[in-house]
Amino acid sequence: DSGVTQTPKHLITATGQRVTLRCSPRSGDLSVYWYQQSLDQGLQFLIQYYNGEERAKGNILERFSAQQFPDLHSELNLSSLELGDSALYFCASSVVASAGTGELFFGEGSRLTVL
Amino acid sequence: GNSVTQMEGPVTLSEEAFLTINCTYTATGYPSLFWYVQYPGEGLQLLLKATKADDKGSNKGFEATYRKETTSFHLEKGSVQVSDSAVYFCAEGGGYQKVTFGTGTKLQVIP
Repeated sequence: DSGVTQTPKHLITATGQRVTLRCSPRSGDLSVYWYQQSLDQGLQFLIQYYNGEERAKGNILERFSAQQFPDLHSELNLSSLELGDSALYFCASSVVASAGTGELFFGEGSRLTVL
Repeated sequence: GNSVTQMEGPVTLSEEAFLTINCTYTATGYPSLFWYVQYPGEGLQLLLKATKADDKGSNKGFEATYRKETTSFHLEKGSVQVSDSAVYFCAEGGGYQKVTFGTGTKLQVIP
């Protein structure tokens, strides 16, 4: 158990809909990262928050947004969903602000299926 | 941007065979290098890491050496077990903000 909790584990929805994925980081970790894992594109970095503020942005679509709350949990909002958004979405946390120097702890992921 | 290239899978080996999974990176300077493993139905977990040139990371019988001259961080294990079946990801922490992952190599070990 990594200590990172993601909900829901599975989600099935229709095109055009909006969903919210939730992540609770390990106790004491200030950084939260969101990654998208699809079959053909591997693990893609979406966005990072550190202590409530956006720290880095990767290949995140404009239809997607995220935030980190004062209690450090984070939510990833996906809107106007398309078939291609079907993927496994991982949240990871780390104690440090710089991911490159520290270990990332991953949740089990949220599997999104868009029909 | 930075990228990490690792050998495509799936790799199928018999139990007790020798494993090598190749990995090269493009980041300049001295990024930290990682191998993560993803067992079926689980999230990624850190397997080993190295933070400077010539460092050797090791864990659970797996090893990888940080080769600056060839920008490589190949994963090796002398004798694989069925329980090693998983997807292995090479990654580099060259950027201040994020870790860049390779596409993953699926390993299947058969008895």
